[in-house]
Amino acid sequence: GAGVSQSPSNKVTEKGKDVELRCDPISGHTALYWYRQSLGQGLEFLIYFQGNSAPDKSGLPSDRFSAERTGGSVSTLTIQRTQQEDSAVYLCASSPRRGTGGYQAKNIQYFGAGTRLSVL
Amino acid sequence: EDKVVQSPLSLVVHEGDTVTLNCSYEVTNFRSLLWYKQEKKAPTFLFMLTSSGIEKKSGRLSSILDKKELFSILNITATQTGDSAIYLCAGGDRDDKIIFGKGTRLHILP
Repeated sequence: GAGVSQSPSNKVTEKGKDVELRCDPISGHTALYWYRQSLGQGLEFLIYFQGNSAPDKSGLPSDRFSAERTGGSVSTLTIQRTQQEDSAVYLCASSPRRGTGGYQAKNIQYFGAGTRLSVL
Repeated sequence: EDKVVQSPLSLVVHEGDTVTLNCSYEVTNFRSLLWYKQEKKAPTFLFMLTSSGIEKKSGRLSSILDKKELFSILNITATQTGDSAIYLCAGGDRDDKIIFGKGTRLHILP
C-alpha cells in the first residue's frame, strides 16, 4: 500500500476483554515496530520485528501483551485482559529492507495513524 | 538500558522567536539520531544524523549531532504557528532498533 495502515482507528473495550490491533506495513518494508503513546507523552517502545529474525520483545510491559507478524508483512498486537492503564494510542511503523535505499534509509520509520484504545 | 532524554518537555514562545530543542542519548551500538514532528497523529520524519558535527538543514529547521557528548539539538528559526507540535528525538542502533524520548511539546503563540 501507499503507507502504513492501522486498524481499527479507534477501539473502545471493557476492562478484562481481549483486543487485537492490526498493522499493514508499507510493501517491501521488512522492519516493523509497535509503540505506545499515552496522552501527552513520547513513544514507548513495545516490540520490533526485522525480517525473519526473532522479534525484540524487550518493551512489552507485561505478559498480557503479545505480537506476531505473519508472512513477514501484516502484524497483530494482542492485549489480553485489558486494564484501564492500557488506554493509549498504539502506533505502528515500518522501515525499508536492509540493503536497499542506502545506509541512511534503513533507520527511517514511516508511521501509521495509530489505533486509539480506550479501556472502560 | 538504552534511553533518550529530551528537554525541555514543553516550550511556549511567540511567533518569530528561535527555539532550540535538546536531546541526549545513551544507545548501545549507536548508529543514528532521528528527529520527528508529530502534530495530530503519525510522527513525520525530519532528520537523520549519523555523523558528528555535520549540520542537516531544511528550511527554517536545522539539526546537529555531537557523538562525543551524546547529544543533538534541533533549531527552529523564525517560528510560525504551524511549527506547533510535539518534536520527538529517537536513537537507533546497528540492529535498527529505535528508542524514542518523551518529546518536547512546542507551542507557538501568534
